[in-house]
Amino acid sequence: GAVVSQHPSWVICKSGTSVKIECRSLDFQATTMFWYRQFPKQSLMLMATSNEGSKATYEQGVEKDKFLINHASLTLSTLTVTSAHPEDSSFYICSAREDLRTYEQYFGPGTRLTVT
Amino acid sequence: SQQGEEDPQALSIQEGENATMNCSYKTSINNLQWYRQNSGRGLVHLILIRSNEREKHSGRLRVTLDTSKKSSSLLITASRAADTASYFCATDKGNKLVFGAGTILRVKS
Repeated sequence: GAVVSQHPSWVICKSGTSVKIECRSLDFQATTMFWYRQFPKQSLMLMATSNEGSKATYEQGVEKDKFLINHASLTLSTLTVTSAHPEDSSFYICSAREDLRTYEQYFGPGTRLTVT
Repeated sequence: SQQGEEDPQALSIQEGENATMNCSYKTSINNLQWYRQNSGRGLVHLILIRSNEREKHSGRLRVTLDTSKKSSSLLITASRAADTASYFCATDKGNKLVFGAGTILRVKS
């Protein structure tokens, strides 16, 4: 089956630093990747949608300059949390869709970010 | 914004019992999907039901969809302790999923 990996699985960083999270589709090419954020005991909130080679589309209320998304290839998307603050601490999950003809998204295992 | 609302928020049952979770949504959809999430982990896709389908089965899972009421239900039969997890519905409007609030299911052995 389709596998999506994320790296790192958890990261602790100091306030003011930037953190990059990678999302890779391991056995398929993902035309579209999605980034979600999940607070404890809450649901997933879509942050942005990225298509390979083009700028990401951000959801309302998500700061583009704070959450930089790069979808440089059909198998890799990165999310960089810039100038991280404690309120950015969360569980970040990516997903990938092979093409728009299929509805299914394949989810990565998530990255736990803690900003101290 | 969250489109799906799920109830109950939490459900605790004994092993062997059936668990039913409900999901309501607000706008028209292409399909509705159910996912499971174990604590601190990623999501596992369970089942997808298209807008023109009314019921679908997969193993111990049964999903219904009522587009007139904009609601769906997930039934897990003969529950097991390993079914303990959070369950989310997600509506697909073509290019993105919108997740419901989720139901936390605890199956006691």
